Amino acid sequence: KNEVEQSPQNLTAQEGEFITINCSYSVGISALHWLQQHPGGGIVSLFMLSSGKKKHGRLIATINIQEKHSSLHITASHPRDSAVYICAVRSRYGGATNKLIFGTGTLLAVQP
Amino acid sequence: EAQVTQNPRYLITVTGKKLTVTCSQNMNHEYMSWYRQDPGLGLRQIYYSMNVEVTDKGDVPEGYKVSRKEKRNFPLILESPSPNQTSLYFCASQRTNDYEQYFGPGTRLTVT
Repeated sequence: KNEVEQSPQNLTAQEGEFITINCSYSVGISALHWLQQHPGGGIVSLFMLSSGKKKHGRLIATINIQEKHSSLHITASHPRDSAVYICAVRSRYGGATNKLIFGTGTLLAVQP
Repeated sequence: EAQVTQNPRYLITVTGKKLTVTCSQNMNHEYMSWYRQDPGLGLRQIYYSMNVEVTDKGDVPEGYKVSRKEKRNFPLILESPSPNQTSLYFCASQRTNDYEQYFGPGTRLTVT
């Protein structure tokens, strides 16, 4: 079993829909990252969080440390949101290793 | 503009021909990492560096070398590339362990 699991693996939505992508992890962490990767493009960091909730524009990220679970929400989705969304965690016991453990990503397609 | 640059962006080479992928950041970040991304496996760390002259292995270091002689540069060296090193490579940097990572645009390497 992977240490970081994302669901769903693939998601198709209609423009305007509310979208939720989930991330569960099995290790103790010091931080969780949400990343966005457009087709053929680079990787952009969306959020880094260790507790609670963060919001940036139409994107909201939440984390529940006790349940080892995080969600990424997209409100009023748009075709330009189509991308792969990747969850990554930094193990609390990694010390100074700077090691991130990545999920395999959720491929989102938003249709007009 | 704060950025991480990688060169080349695309490279097709033959087995055994030594190559170097350069990575440079202009943010004075201490931490730098190399990742490879393969379908179904997600991102995996190859090597990381916590500062000049300080490097260590990640999860998949076999067949790769790195050096960190200057803070801004972190080249990835493949001494004798093999077809199983065909992949998409990303360099990333961050200020310290607790800050978000900035990713380079990626280098798509094909080894025939």
